[in-house]
Amino acid sequence: DSGVTQTPKHLITATGQRVTLRCSPRSGDLSVYWYQQSLDQGLQFLIQYYNGEERAKGNILERFSAQQFPDLHSELNLSSLELGDSALYFCASSSGQERGTEAFFGQGTRLTVV
Amino acid sequence: GNSVTQMEGPVTLSEEAFLTINCTYTATGYPSLFWYVQYPGEGLQLLLKATKADDKGSNKGFEATYRKETTSFHLEKGSVQVSDSAVYFCALQAAGNKLTFGGGTRVLVKP
Repeated sequence: DSGVTQTPKHLITATGQRVTLRCSPRSGDLSVYWYQQSLDQGLQFLIQYYNGEERAKGNILERFSAQQFPDLHSELNLSSLELGDSALYFCASSSGQERGTEAFFGQGTRLTVV
Repeated sequence: GNSVTQMEGPVTLSEEAFLTINCTYTATGYPSLFWYVQYPGEGLQLLLKATKADDKGSNKGFEATYRKETTSFHLEKGSVQVSDSAVYFCALQAAGNKLTFGGGTRVLVKP
């Protein structure tokens, strides 16, 4: 158990809909990262938050947004969903910004868009 | 930009065989290097890491050495077990701590 909790584990929704994925980081970790894992794109970094503020952005679509709340949990919002958004979405957390800091991953949310 | 290239799988081995998974990277500066493992139905777990040139990371019989001159971080294990069947990801961590992953290598160990 990594200590990172993601909910829900599975999500099936229709095209055009909006969903929210939730992540609770390990206790005390200030950084949260979101990654998308798909068969054709592999593991892609989406976005990072540190103590409530956005720190880095990767290949995140404009239809996607995220935030980190004062209690440090994070949500990834996906809207106007398309079939191609079907993927496994991982959240990871780490304790700080030091070089070599390990990131701990949740079990992921599998999103299926039909 | 930063990138990681690792050998495509699947790699199929017999138990007790020697495993090597090649990983090379392109990055500015001096990244940290990681190997993560993903077992079926689970998230990624850190297997080992190295933060500077010539460092050797090791864990559970797996080893990898940070080679700056060849920009490589190959993963090796001398004697694999069925329980090592998983997908292995090489990754680099540059400024800001986000990870850039390779495409993953599926390893299947047969008894």
